[in-house]
Amino acid sequence: QVQLQQSGPGLVKPSQTLSLTCAISGDSVSSNSAAWNWLRQSPSRGLEWLGRTYYRSKWRSEYSVSVKSRISVNPDTSKNQFSLQLSSVTPEDTALYFCARGRDGYLDSWGQGTLVTVSP
Amino acid sequence: QSVLTQPPSVSGAPGQRVTISCTGSSSNIGAGYGVHWYQQLPGAAPKVLIYGNNNRPSGVPDRFSGSKSGSSASLAITGLQAEDEADYYCHSYDSSLNSWVFGGGTKLTVL
Repeated sequence: QVQLQQSGPGLVKPSQTLSLTCAISGDSVSSNSAAWNWLRQSPSRGLEWLGRTYYRSKWRSEYSVSVKSRISVNPDTSKNQFSLQLSSVTPEDTALYFCARGRDGYLDSWGQGTLVTVSP
Repeated sequence: QSVLTQPPSVSGAPGQRVTISCTGSSSNIGAGYGVHWYQQLPGAAPKVLIYGNNNRPSGVPDRFSGSKSGSSASLAITGLQAEDEADYYCHSYDSSLNSWVFGGGTKLTVL
């Protein structure tokens, strides 16, 4: 049974970079049948998919157009985890952030969520 | 404004049947992409209830079922229980946005 454990700061200053990590147990970040996703949830934007990384003969990443210029999702095979970096944050990036495993087009396992507030 | 449209709220008495609709368009549900449903209890992460339009993961009671027709999908819950009180979200893929998309969520109240 896969488990995802999120870590990272809950407070980020405007214009800085938001960084979160999702540690995987029970599966491998290099799995050929899974994709590793980041999403966020806020009252104003609802549930929003941000991006993912996955391995299919080589590493690939895909991002939502809404954040494409500011986001990076990367695997760390040595620690079996993946990370989110979102640059140039504003108060509109304040949200509950989730990591999740994707298989067959849906999200079957989720992290516990991290509330990130963007404030001076 | 979410790409997939859900009613903000539904309610029902214990034991009753309720349905939650999810309306999309020709670039997502209507294009044949699968619809998935998640339940989010207060203070928790979403949990998949239905995947691929009408499939239940192991452990999900058969009181939950999904269907799809044209550009819309529905989640039905029969034998409503107090523990079903939660937010429910639909999810699909949109080819014009090249992105996963979600409904705005429906709050189920068990009266």
